[in-house]
Amino acid sequence: GQNIDQPTEMTATEGAIVQINCTYQTSGFNGLFWYQQHAGEAPTFLSYNVLDGLEEKGRFSSFLSRSKGYSYLLLKELQMKDSASYLCAVRNTGGFKTIFGAGTRLFVKA
Amino acid sequence: GAGVSQSPSNKVTEKGKDVELRCDPISGHTALYWYRQRLGQGLEFLIYFQGNSAPDKSGLPSDRFSAERTGESVSTLTIQRTQQEDSAVYLCASSDRTSGLGELFFGEGSRLTVL
Repeated sequence: GQNIDQPTEMTATEGAIVQINCTYQTSGFNGLFWYQQHAGEAPTFLSYNVLDGLEEKGRFSSFLSRSKGYSYLLLKELQMKDSASYLCAVRNTGGFKTIFGAGTRLFVKA
Repeated sequence: GAGVSQSPSNKVTEKGKDVELRCDPISGHTALYWYRQRLGQGLEFLIYFQGNSAPDKSGLPSDRFSAERTGESVSTLTIQRTQQEDSAVYLCASSDRTSGLGELFFGEGSRLTVL
């Protein structure tokens, strides 16, 4: 079976750094994605990891440890516009089925 | 087209009626996905297509739900005899498995309300 766990909500202060964790169990792994979803909008792609390590993209970084079934999304220099839900998604081998976690709602306060 | 297009954007129906939701993926994208998102919740996998075939239908909640894809393009999600618990936003996404990362590109969704 498959299971993806993320915290339900997090709050952070503008200008700070926040780390959103994701743990997963899957029968076959072919990549982990992070998506951002603002309220009432469609999810948009943020980052992708398939090998262990850190991928950096501007203010956003994502880390993967396949042996631990663990990833995190790191957001630096938080801005108010970063208030959104962050979705962790795992893609399976073979058919490319992609399963999402329930998402983490991030509130950025002034 | 430039992006994934879904219609209708909003649909209000009465319990027991059938509804059809349409998705036009990005041209050339071979994979197409349907998800359901209830208010304040995450994305629930329903079905995905590779070409016109659906290798995994395991997420369809009941036999009232069906989906098809034709011409490796447009897909239709049909919900028969709608129930109030079917109320949700139905999101369609497509991806290109042949190049890039294969990330999903989402449409704006079809918001279904069953009265």
